[in-house]
Amino acid sequence: KAGVTQTPRYLIKTRGQQVTLSCSPISGHRSVSWYQQTPGQGLQFLFEYFSETQRNKGNFPGRFSGRQFSNSRSEMNVSTLELGDSALYLCASSFEGEYGYNEQFFGPGTRLTVL
Amino acid sequence: GIQVEQSPPDLILQEGANSTLRCNFSDSVNNLQWFHQNPWGQLINLFYIPSGTKQNGRLSATTVATERYSLLYISSSQTTDSGVYFCAVERFNAGNMLTFGGGTRLMVKP
Repeated sequence: KAGVTQTPRYLIKTRGQQVTLSCSPISGHRSVSWYQQTPGQGLQFLFEYFSETQRNKGNFPGRFSGRQFSNSRSEMNVSTLELGDSALYLCASSFEGEYGYNEQFFGPGTRLTVL
Repeated sequence: GIQVEQSPPDLILQEGANSTLRCNFSDSVNNLQWFHQNPWGQLINLFYIPSGTKQNGRLSATTVATERYSLLYISSSQTTDSGVYFCAVERFNAGNMLTFGGGTRLMVKP
């Protein structure tokens, strides 16, 4: 079974621009979560989508948004980019099984650099 | 929110040595996972272990949920074990939101 895939792998943008990142979950997984990793703040939860609905949201400004499509693929968008948005963005998917089994699997990430 | 603390933050070992990494968390959890982050940034799943003990080759993990800690054991370390190890927990009723610890950076010298 193919793993979680993310595109693009690398991205360079300038301040003020916007960016869209894409994530395809493992086949059969309906939950997709997004995380931001920076040297200063570590790994932080952005949001989670399940069956096209945002179920959870982390403590990030409204410039960060996302959506999920009917095939479970997800996109996240960052508008009006700031230098501090430079980070590794990781996507994870999970299959919510019985008895609360909920292991999450991560993609390779998109490394965003804002100049 | 829940706090997750990992220790030690940095660890240097000679090849062949054993080590124990610790993860303490401040609240009851529904899920606990250990990851190894490779040099390219991808998080590799090591264990899904909300409670109990599991083993996978030279690695094993134990979670004592009632005392709110988990341990990752690495035996006979190899240079390929180098990297950052993360513990991540999911609180009850927190959906799929994982809270990560700060990580343990491991360097194994030949």
